[in-house]
Amino acid sequence: AQSVTQLDSQVPVFEEAPVELRCNYSSSVSVYLFWYVQYPNQGLQLLLKYLSGSTLVKGINGFEAEFNKSQTSFHLRKPSVHISDTAEYFCAVSSGYSTLTFGKGTMLLVSP
Amino acid sequence: DAGVTQSPTHLIKTRGQQVTLRCSPKSGHDTVSWYQQALGQGPQFIFQYYEEEERQRGNFPDRFSGHQFPNYSSELNVNALLLGDSALYLCASSLRGDTEAFFGQGTRLTVV
Repeated sequence: AQSVTQLDSQVPVFEEAPVELRCNYSSSVSVYLFWYVQYPNQGLQLLLKYLSGSTLVKGINGFEAEFNKSQTSFHLRKPSVHISDTAEYFCAVSSGYSTLTFGKGTMLLVSP
Repeated sequence: DAGVTQSPTHLIKTRGQQVTLRCSPKSGHDTVSWYQQALGQGPQFIFQYYEEEERQRGNFPDRFSGHQFPNYSSELNVNALLLGDSALYLCASSLRGDTEAFFGQGTRLTVV
C-alpha cells in the first residue's frame, strides 16, 4: 500500500518570498512522484513529475522539487512566489498504470 | 485538442437517487480513471477502465460502477446516493503504459 503525507494544510507567504511545500510518502515498491496544482473550481494540472534519473526536477511556472529516497520526501519549492500562485497543491505517488494516491493537499496563500 | 471533458459540470440529486457522470478522454488516450474529491480532501481513486474493462478499483462500494465505450469515453454511475457522496468527481485520461494522467474540470455532485 502507498500513502502520502503533506505536512502543512496551509502555507501563508508574502509575494516574492520563497516557499517550500513538504511531502513525504510511504511505499513498499518503487514509485513515481508528482505534484499537481488545483485552482478554485478547476481540475488538476500537473506541475512536475519524478520518474527516474536526476533527483532535482524542474516543472512549470518556476517550480522545482527534489526527490530524497532516504527520507522518502519530495518537497516542492519556488524561489519567488506570485499572487497568481495562490492555489491548492497536491503531492501524489504512483506505482504504475497512472493510478494515483494523493495527499490531502496544501493551500498556498500568497499575499501582497 | 479539447483535453479531458466532463459533463455535467454541476448537478444536484436527492438521497436514494441514481446519477451518471460522463467523461471524454484526451485525444489519443485509451485509459480512463475516476477520482472522488470530498471538500478539503485530496482526490481518492475509484476505478480505472482500459479496453472497456475495469482494471483496477479503489476502496469504494459496489454502488459505484462504471463503463467504458469503444470510443474510450466513460461513465461513472452511483446508485442509492448518500449525503456523503457529495463531492467533486474527477476524470483522468492517459495512454496505457504512460505515467502521466490528464484531468478534466470535474463534476460537482451535491446530494440533498
